[in-house]
Formats: sequence, C-alpha cells, structure tokens
Amino acid sequence: SFELTQPPSVSVSPGQTARITCSGDELPKEFVHWYQQKPGQAPVLMIYKDKERPSGIPERFSGSSSGTTVTLTISEVQAEDEADYYCQSGDNSDINVLFGGGTKLTVL
Amino acid sequence: QVQLVQSGAEVKKPGSSVNVSCKAFGGTFSTSAISWVRQAPGQGLEWMGGIIPILETVNYAQKFQDRVTISADELRTTVYMELSSLQCEDTAVYFCARSFGDYPGTWFFDLWGRGSLVTVSS
Repeated sequence: SFELTQPPSVSVSPGQTARITCSGDELPKEFVHWYQQKPGQAPVLMIYKDKERPSGIPERFSGSSSGTTVTLTISEVQAEDEADYYCQSGDNSDINVLFGGGTKLTVL
Repeated sequence: QVQLVQSGAEVKKPGSSVNVSCKAFGGTFSTSAISWVRQAPGQGLEWMGGIIPILETVNYAQKFQDRVTISADELRTTVYMELSSLQCEDTAVYFCARSFGDYPGTWFFDLWGRGSLVTVSS
C-alpha cells in the first residue's frame, strides 16, 4: 500500500534553512500538500500542490519535488516555526487521503 | 468568511457511539467537501473519510469503513461524523476540514475546525 515517509525530527538553528522531506513511490503521480501544527492547535495549510503557497503564508516556506521525494523548505528559520509538519497526498486509487507520519521541527 | 465550528468534548464508554458535528458559520459548505481527520494523543493525523454535501457523495478510509458514518443536513450547513463500537484506542481529537474537488485524491485542506476531543474510558 502507498505510504508517505517523513523523518521523525529535524533540528535547525535560527536563521538557517530547514528541509523536511516526504517520500513515497507514488509521488511522481500525486501532488503533495504540507501542514504546520503547533501544540493544541489545528493544522494549517502551508503548501499545496507541491509548491503553491496559500495567501498569508510567508515566502520563507516553499515546496519542491523530485522523483519520489517532495521537500518543504523553510528559509531563515524563526523560533515561531517550531512545530510538527505533515505531508499529505492522495493514493493511487484517488479515493483515499494519506498523511505522512509527521516531522517535529526543533529550532535550537 | 466561513468558519468551521465543532461540537464539544465527549466522554464515552467502550462499545458505545459518538456523534461529532461541524457547522459552517458565516456561510454554507457550498461546493466544498468536508473530511474528518483524527489525531490520537501524541500521534499523527489520520483521515477517516469525507463528504461532498452538494453531491451527496461520501468516501471512507478502509480502516473505518465498517463503523463510521458521515452525513450532512439538508441545508448543507452542518456535517456529522458518527463513530460506533468505540474502543479506548479511539480516544483522540477529531477535526473537520474543508477541501475542494470531486474525489479524495485531489483534496487538500485549507480550513480546519478547532477539534473535538473524544475520550473513551470505562
């Protein structure tokens, strides 16, 4: 079955660039979307369709894809970016929604 | 601007059912789909299923297919999720979330409710 694999954790210093990956065999055929979730809050859509940014999301957040891996890049990381990040896609049957296991971003 | 307002926290016994609602304040669901996504304590996000109220079509994740029912009212302002045969492992925050598109493979969620905590305990 189709799965989305994320690293459990990523750590970065303020001002540096964080890269969070999401891997899956079907990703060349499926769009990936990214969410940020802070403790006790609902997720927030940060990137959709691999690289599109919703209005109100800082330009520091960007998305890219290459083969079976999609990457969320956060430039000039700030303390407020510390959160869990989830990738999401549809599976190859088009009738299911899949989430990756989530990546905890720690700002050192 | 539409907001998704969910019903309050619930405490249920094992074997019982729970019904969680998601109401559109400031508008209707229009042509959107509403999904239910749950998150167990300390765990990730898990899609349970979704409904397109205007088309009256529903899709369920295979894991929940036998015990979840998602429905909408006639005015298409409230969506409901009923989960039956509750077990302790169903203790989680249940979110409703909005998306657009005709089938789940195209969905991404641009608007979320604040979540409803369901606790299953004997």
